[in-house]
Amino acid sequence: DQQVKQNSPSLSVQEGRISILNCDYTNSMFDYFLWYKKYPAEGPTFLISISSIKDKNEDGRFTVFLNKSAKHLSLHIVPSQPGDSAVYFCAASSNDYKLSFGAGTTVTVRA
Amino acid sequence: SQTIHQWPATLVQPVGSPLSLECTVEGTSNPNLYWYRQAAGRGLQLLFYSVGIGQISSEVPQNLSASRPQDRQFILSSKKLLLSDSGFYLCALKQGGSETQYFGPGTRLLVL
Repeated sequence: DQQVKQNSPSLSVQEGRISILNCDYTNSMFDYFLWYKKYPAEGPTFLISISSIKDKNEDGRFTVFLNKSAKHLSLHIVPSQPGDSAVYFCAASSNDYKLSFGAGTTVTVRA
Repeated sequence: SQTIHQWPATLVQPVGSPLSLECTVEGTSNPNLYWYRQAAGRGLQLLFYSVGIGQISSEVPQNLSASRPQDRQFILSSKKLLLSDSGFYLCALKQGGSETQYFGPGTRLLVL
């Protein structure tokens, strides 16, 4: 049962524009959410996280928004850069030692 | 800061052969350790996690096993590999008081 869903397998965006990645979850017990970035043949790199007590967290070009009532979170990347081309995973935790991951969204930043 | 080592980086094994993948961590003590697998074009599937030496929790029934003989060592094993065991295996750690997991560089396993 997929508790974290990333319904867009891919996203193409022009350099300098905004990238918006979406993630939906079904488990209302999730209280911590994370985004990871992954290049081919490498381990995922932690990007940014948000606790359920917040609705927004910002770190440089990356902002994560959380809508608890809709069970939805999004990652905004502004401005998008060529080095942002990668697979992005959304993950969620209910403080039980484990993370549930989405299937990932492949972002391609066009020059 | 913590460092995660995984080896080998790439492995090609015949069907029916044994497997041993090792993960060691530095710069932390008593971490939670995890094994994930990413099949081609798929997301990350949690295979095992460990909250301490000798403590292993299995997430999915499969052909693999895990062991934690030391605080900073996590081993993934199989007695007989299947074709379906091919994938990218990732070790991760989580320190107490944090929900964030940090990943190692991964091992690419191809079973032929």
